[in-house]
Amino acid sequence: EVQLVQSGAEVKKPGESLKISCKGSGYSFTSYWIGWVRQMPGKGLEWMGIIYPGDSDTRYSPSFQGQVTISADKSISTAYLQWSSLKASDTAMYYCATHSGQSYYFDYWGQGTLVTVSS
Amino acid sequence: QSALTQPPSASGSPGQSVTISCTGTSSDVGGYNYVSWYQQHPGKAPKLMIYEVSKRPSGVPDRFSGSKSGNTASLTVSGLQAEDEADYYCSSYAGSKRGVFGGGTKLTVL
Repeated sequence: EVQLVQSGAEVKKPGESLKISCKGSGYSFTSYWIGWVRQMPGKGLEWMGIIYPGDSDTRYSPSFQGQVTISADKSISTAYLQWSSLKASDTAMYYCATHSGQSYYFDYWGQGTLVTVSS
Repeated sequence: QSALTQPPSASGSPGQSVTISCTGTSSDVGGYNYVSWYQQHPGKAPKLMIYEVSKRPSGVPDRFSGSKSGNTASLTVSGLQAEDEADYYCSSYAGSKRGVFGGGTKLTVL
C-alpha cells in the first residue's frame, strides 16, 4: 500500500527558515515523481512543483520558483519542501503527493502539513 | 500561468446528474489529454477521481466520468449521492514541464 506520511504542523515567525518532510513507503521511491501542492486557508489547490528522487530532476511552477526549494533524500525515501525566509503569506496547508510523470496527475496524497507564519 | 476556470458552485438533488466545467486555453487543457479531477472533503486531503481526461482510478465509482472538448474539460457525476458533496478541482499539464489547477467548484447535494 502506497503511503505518504508528512511531518507535523509548524508555527513559525516571519523571516524564519523551515523544512517540512514527506516520507514515502509501499512503492519504489526512486522510480516515481513526488510533488507539493499548496492550499491557503479557505482557498483552492496550487501546483508548486515536483521532483524525481532517482536523479533529483526538479520542476517548479513559475509562481513558486525561487520562493521554495524542493528536494529529496532517496536513502530515507523522504521528500522535502523548504523555505529560507518565511512570510505571513506562506501560511497554508501543504500536501505532498506522488506524481504520474508524463500524464501530469497526482495519485497518492499525504495527510498535509499546516504551516502557520505569524509574529 | 493562470489557474483554470471553474464555476464556484454547482448543485443537484440525489439521483440527478451534475456537470462541472473546467476552461483553460490551447496551452493547457486544449493542448494535451492530461486533465485530471480531484475530490476534496472538508479537512481532508484531495483524492484523484479522473486522470487523462476520462480514465478512472481503481475504486472510483463509474458514476464519475470525464470528457473534453476544445479548451474545456468536464466532470459529470451521475446518480448523485450525499457523499458526493465536496469540492472538486480540475488540473492540467500546462507546458514547460508544469501543471496548473482550477479554482475549485463546491458541489452541493440538495
